[in-house]
Amino acid sequence: KNQVEQSPQSLIILEGKNCTLQCNYTVSPFSNLRWYKQDTGRGPVSLTIMTFSENTKSNGRYTATLDADTKQSSLHITASQLSDSASYICVVSATNSGYALNFGKGTSLLVTP
Amino acid sequence: NAGVMQNPRHLVRRRGQEARLRCSPVKGHSHVYWYRQLPEEGLKFMVYLQKENIIDESGMPKERFSAEFPKEGPSILRIQQVVRGDSAAYFCASSPSRGWEKLFFGSGTQLSVL
Repeated sequence: KNQVEQSPQSLIILEGKNCTLQCNYTVSPFSNLRWYKQDTGRGPVSLTIMTFSENTKSNGRYTATLDADTKQSSLHITASQLSDSASYICVVSATNSGYALNFGKGTSLLVTP
Repeated sequence: NAGVMQNPRHLVRRRGQEARLRCSPVKGHSHVYWYRQLPEEGLKFMVYLQKENIIDESGMPKERFSAEFPKEGPSILRIQQVVRGDSAAYFCASSPSRGWEKLFFGSGTQLSVL
């Protein structure tokens, strides 16, 4: 069964600090892994997309890593801002299902002043 | 979110009523996907449509749920005889082609069934 597990479930950090969110998956055969940011009451917005051959990808202060051997990914947020407060969702796509994306439950991040 | 419009944002229905959720994709996008997010759960795929065609409805309950994407107008997700368990956020996404890497989500419709 394809599964995507994220940790921690929630996280509170001070503005300006860094943090790392984790994602473990069992989706097979693997196609790509995405990180989305979802603000409260809004739809998910794509941050990064990585395929099997990519180990790391950055988007501004967001850096995602992928270890396809251990089926783990992380999202590192540098110099956090109040606007980073949101749910961060790990999404894994299998080659045989494309749009039937496998969503994690998300990590709820709160950045405080 | 590049222009995927969903309405209404919030919809309240009593048990047994019908719910109609609308989704206008990004201009020029002909591929629409519906996902459901139950409380405390991740999004789950429901149905994939192209103009006038249902491509994959494997994630949609067989009864009471239907979806369409007509040649003209928005995509519609219809839920008949709603039950409390249908309460969820329903998200629509669109893409310009079958390459779903470029997937844009709407802000969702929060359905509450009383």
